[in-house]
Amino acid sequence: AQTVTQSQPEMSVQEAETVTLSCTYDTSESDYYLFWYKQPPSRQMILVIRQEAYKQQNATENRFSVNFQKAAKSFSLKISDSQLGDAAMYFCAYRRYNNNDMRFGAGTRLTVKP
Amino acid sequence: DVKVTQSSRYLVKRTGEKVFLECVQDMDHENMFWYRQDPGLGLRLIYFSYDVKMKEKGDIPEGYSVSREKKERFSLILESASTNQTSMYLCASSLTRGGGKTEAFFGQGTRLTVV
Repeated sequence: AQTVTQSQPEMSVQEAETVTLSCTYDTSESDYYLFWYKQPPSRQMILVIRQEAYKQQNATENRFSVNFQKAAKSFSLKISDSQLGDAAMYFCAYRRYNNNDMRFGAGTRLTVKP
Repeated sequence: DVKVTQSSRYLVKRTGEKVFLECVQDMDHENMFWYRQDPGLGLRLIYFSYDVKMKEKGDIPEGYSVSREKKERFSLILESASTNQTSMYLCASSLTRGGGKTEAFFGQGTRLTVV
């Protein structure tokens, strides 16, 4: 079974600074999708960014970008110019291309200090 | 926008009760999922369904069953609730593939306490 590992249970960042959240995964597949989800205190899971494994270019969404290293099976999330509203649990997730279910990591709790 | 609605935000049940958690999605998604979220463990897949009346076990199906009689509705059933099933339950839905919409969309979660 595929596994997703987030090795940082908690991270903190100063407002306006940059922070990187780590994620590694284990798979024997060549085609798959990777995601970062944000879960604020409201509990609503929100998609932050997605990456298709066949794309070499790293995905970017405004202040959020990823560093996708396929050979190393690494998928980190960089948050630039951190804002107080970025404080949340962040989950890394993996989905195989021809499969329907997603696998999640244990999550990283991000605190943003004013 | 896709909307996934879970019937309860908070629920308190007694040990041994039969518990139903309901989830409805409004975007005609083929796939629906039930996850359990616990601190330090992330989201663990209980069951998923890829079509009406179809279901597959996830990683932790013991003590749970599911029902999908209509495409938009996916129910999680705790046949006899136990205290170790106290947790946050998240429902999600997704398209099978393609169109760029490959991610799962989540409901707001049900925090279940079994006493």
